[in-house]
Amino acid sequence: SQQGEEDPQALSIQEGENATMNCSYKTSINNLQWYRQNSGRGLVHLILIRSNEREKHSGRLRVTLDTSKKSSSLLITASRAADTASYFCATDTTSGSARQLTFGSGTQLTVLP
Amino acid sequence: DSGVTQTPKHLITATGQRVTLRCSPRSGDLSVYWYQQSLDQGLQFLIQYYNGEERAKGNILERFSAQQFPDLHSELNLSSLELGDSALYFCASSAGGTAGTDTQYFGPGTRLTVL
Repeated sequence: SQQGEEDPQALSIQEGENATMNCSYKTSINNLQWYRQNSGRGLVHLILIRSNEREKHSGRLRVTLDTSKKSSSLLITASRAADTASYFCATDTTSGSARQLTFGSGTQLTVLP
Repeated sequence: DSGVTQTPKHLITATGQRVTLRCSPRSGDLSVYWYQQSLDQGLQFLIQYYNGEERAKGNILERFSAQQFPDLHSELNLSSLELGDSALYFCASSAGGTAGTDTQYFGPGTRLTVL
């Protein structure tokens, strides 16, 4: 089952604009991760935010986490055409050496040149 | 390049057949994970191995099985294939640490088409 649900399902913006994607989940988490997938290719890990963190930055990426609302957002600033991809949030809800990521349905981002 | 390799890249086979997908994790990673991505089900976790032992199981069908070998590479075996098994199969690996920061690195995937 899909723990995380991304919103919107699809987003189309102009190059240079910011893109915001949201993710909601249902259960307690250890961490939440964001991945990017170019069409039909492998997933690229973007950023991981732990359950006790509220905000994290990596280059043009900013991720927030609100555990009380069970939601996260990914902001891509000054978007580029190369950012066109699907973006997935994934929640890590397991412990010890048993690990399992539960992925959302993804947001398809299109950045128009 | 994530450092995770998967073979083959593409596989076309018929219903009822059996196939084996292979994965080599990043150097030093002890955990290997298998995921299935299909249009209707999205990305689904199948199974995890840690240093040769099964550690977590997700939505893996009984017709599917996996193992991790002493050299840490892993194989996913799919048998009695059905049309609905057509999907992208991803392998991922991680260091396997117990802290809450264990990042999974994904391979390029194997695209399975069942005709």
